[in-house]
Parts: sequence; structure tokens; C-alpha cells
Amino acid sequence: TQLLEQSPQFLSIQEGENLTVYCNSSSVFSSLQWYRQEPGEGPVLLVTVVTGGEVKKLKRLTFQFGDARKDSSLHITAAQPGDTGLYLCAGAFRGSTLGRLYFGRGTQLTVWP
Amino acid sequence: EPEVTQTPSHQVTQMGQEVILRCVPISNHLYFYWYRQILGQKVEFLVSFYNNEISEKSEIFDDQFSVERPDGSNFTLKIRSTKLEDSAMYFCASGRGAANVLTFGAGSRLTVL
Repeated sequence: TQLLEQSPQFLSIQEGENLTVYCNSSSVFSSLQWYRQEPGEGPVLLVTVVTGGEVKKLKRLTFQFGDARKDSSLHITAAQPGDTGLYLCAGAFRGSTLGRLYFGRGTQLTVWP
Repeated sequence: EPEVTQTPSHQVTQMGQEVILRCVPISNHLYFYWYRQILGQKVEFLVSFYNNEISEKSEIFDDQFSVERPDGSNFTLKIRSTKLEDSAMYFCASGRGAANVLTFGAGSRLTVL
């Protein structure tokens, strides 16, 4: 069983602060996705990273994939209340069936106005 | 934007009853999946389906579970005899096969009493 660890589990910050969420595994990811999930809804894809060292930006969100493809981070700059939600990382590993993703426990982010 | 639709959104059933959860994947997607999320736990892979057959199933997907694509649009998950521990949010997902990118539906909440 592939293990994927995500931290922190909970994050409560004030509007305007920066934050970073981490995702890592002892195994090499073939690809990694970050999702956002709202209560009662399915995960919505934010970004996919595939290449070691890759950095992708989505407005105030910056996603990094580690050089060794064993870890990733999501950094949010100047967080806003609208960023509140559950952020999930999900990875695929070499040798896994296409689309078999292993999810982290998620980071519940609350941004206070 | 194309989306994966799932029905019902919520189903309550008695232990031992059969349940069928339905999904309409995105029309040009070829890969189909079921995941589930027990309250407070990680999203877990159940099964992947491609070319009218199961590609992979997890250890959760025992003989009580089955999947079917009865026509060109629907993808169903059947649980033959539900157990209390089957209570969860069930997510259908589909993909075109590129870089493990999946689109998830909003989920079907199953409550087994």
C-alpha cells in the first residue's frame, strides 16, 4: 500500500497571511495532483505536476514538485476567505494502473476575514 | 464545462439491501473510476474500468461490489448486500488517460442503517 502524507491537517489563519501545505511519500510519484473539495462535493482538480522540480502557478497558488518527485507543496500568498476549503493532494505511483490515485488526508484551511 | 453527474445524491438503505449508484461520465472520456470516502477518512480507490472491463480493483472492492457500463453513457456501481461499514460518500470519476487527470462527480452519499 502506497502511503501519502499530507500536513498540516488543519490550518486557521487571518486574511492576508501566507501558508504552505505539504505532501510527501517514500515512493516516487509518476504524477501528483492537488484538489480542492467543498463540503458535500467531489474533489475539483487544481493542478497536475509531472516533472521533478516543476513549479506551477494558479493566481495566488504556487505548486512545487520536488526534484526527486517524492514531495510537493502548495503555497498560497495573501490568503482570502474564499480560499477556505479542504485541499487534497493525490498521487499516482509508478506501476499503478492509470488513474489509481492515492489521496492524502487533506488540509482543512480556514481563512478568517 | 463538461462534468461528471451522479445519482442519487443521497440514498438511505437498510443493511442487506442492494444499492445501485449511477454515474454519467464525461462523454469523450474512456477511463472510469469509483472512489469512496468514509466520513473523516481519506478518499480511497475502489475500481477502475476501461474498454468494458475492470482494469484494477482495490481490496475494498470485494464480491459484494460490481460495476457495469450498460450503455454508452452510464457507469454504475452495485453493492449487492449493504453493510453498515459501506456508509460513505461514493465518487465517480472519469478521465481521458492523460497524466492521471480525473474529473470527479459531486458524489453519492450512502447511508446504511
